[in-house]
Amino acid sequence: QITLKESGPTLVKPTQTLTLTCTFSGFSLTTSEVSVGWIRQPPGKALEWLALISGDDDKRYSPSLMSRLTVTKDTSKNQVVLTMTNVDPVDTATYFCAHSPRISMIRGARPYNWFDPWGQGILVTVSS
Amino acid sequence: AIQMTQSPSSLSASVGDRVTITCRASQGIRNDLSWYQQKPGRAPKLLIYAASTLQSGVPSRFSGSGSGSDFTLTISSLQPEDFATYYCLQDYNYPWTFGQGTKVEIK
Repeated sequence: QITLKESGPTLVKPTQTLTLTCTFSGFSLTTSEVSVGWIRQPPGKALEWLALISGDDDKRYSPSLMSRLTVTKDTSKNQVVLTMTNVDPVDTATYFCAHSPRISMIRGARPYNWFDPWGQGILVTVSS
Repeated sequence: AIQMTQSPSSLSASVGDRVTITCRASQGIRNDLSWYQQKPGRAPKLLIYAASTLQSGVPSRFSGSGSGSDFTLTISSLQPEDFATYYCLQDYNYPWTFGQGTKVEIK
């Protein structure tokens, strides 16, 4: 059974750096066939894809946030860490991490990706 | 970035109704699309991946179709537990992008 859980501060001040940790179990983040993604959701708004890190350490970021985001993994601890610098009140949101398999339906074909399962999410408020 | 446009943004329906939600990509995305259900205060739940493959454990009243740039999520007979917000996600290329969501409310 795969589980993920986000942890970190629930209140940060503007201009500070936010560090969130996703602790997972039930899989190993050591191959290109598995990734962990970060997604956020401002209160009452839609989901926003932030970043993805694969087991082979390939990293992808949202272009609009790329300059402020860093994602890393610690396979010995089964953790993925998202760092966001210079936070602003508009960064107030629930932050989710999610498991993302990369699976080819037909051998040799381009793989599909999706998010399943998700962590419960952590609400982070940016306010002075 | 590929834009995903969902319609409608909200709808009201009754138990037993057939409900259709559409998602249109700003360019062709093959069938690299998944659908999620989110209830208030909860994390999203995967319903369908690869545009039409039902995730294990998801009721068969949910189905997905489409390829290229136009996709559909259908609930054949709406149940009380289906009132929620639904999102599509394209993983054709980076950055992956979500639709803006469709809220399904009780009529």
